[in-house]
Amino acid sequence: DAGVIQSPRHEVTEMGQEVTLRCKPISGHDYLFWYRQTMMRGLELLIYFNNNVPIDDSGMPEDRFSAKMPNASFSTLKIQPSEPRDSAVYFCASTLGHPDQPQHFGDGTRLSIL
Amino acid sequence: AQSVAQPEDQVNVAEGNPLTVKCTYSVSGNPYLFWYVQYPNRGLQFLLKYITGDNLVKGSYGFEAEFNKSQTSFHLKKPSALVSDSALYFCAVRDKAGRRALTFGSGTRLQVQP
Repeated sequence: DAGVIQSPRHEVTEMGQEVTLRCKPISGHDYLFWYRQTMMRGLELLIYFNNNVPIDDSGMPEDRFSAKMPNASFSTLKIQPSEPRDSAVYFCASTLGHPDQPQHFGDGTRLSIL
Repeated sequence: AQSVAQPEDQVNVAEGNPLTVKCTYSVSGNPYLFWYVQYPNRGLQFLLKYITGDNLVKGSYGFEAEFNKSQTSFHLKKPSALVSDSALYFCAVRDKAGRRALTFGSGTRLQVQP
């Protein structure tokens, strides 16, 4: 079975550029989560969706970050403009509706802002 | 608010010896508890979960975890460690009645020496 697919796996770009991270959740999953992982702050929840609708975006660090889920099989996380402190590994995860179901993670996008 | 504490940044154990990775949690109601493992350059992989019932939960790769309600703990254990178990381990909690997002601990690095 195909798991959660994230692209690109690595992104290196210069400060000020727009960055778009992509995620394809597992088919049939109705919850999608975006996380950020850094050495200093650990694993942080940024935003999550249910049936393509954003439910909680309180973890989005600032207005430079935005996330969309136009359909059940695709989500994007955009940073515009990017800054060096945005450098991190960004993970997408999906899960089925029942709350006792585990989240399934993609392998992440390693983002470096120069 | 819910929270998870993993008091040890790193656990070192010799191959063949039993291992324990500690986790304590705080939720307002009854918890769903999860353990995940992360290998280098990979996403988090689900190991096991506690939903209800038997306090000893068995999971993947020979791991198990013991739920202790009075101590609000959910320690991860394995009777005989392998070098290949060396990885980063995360404990996570969700309140059964609360929001769908998981709260993760800070992670514990397990190092198994040959």
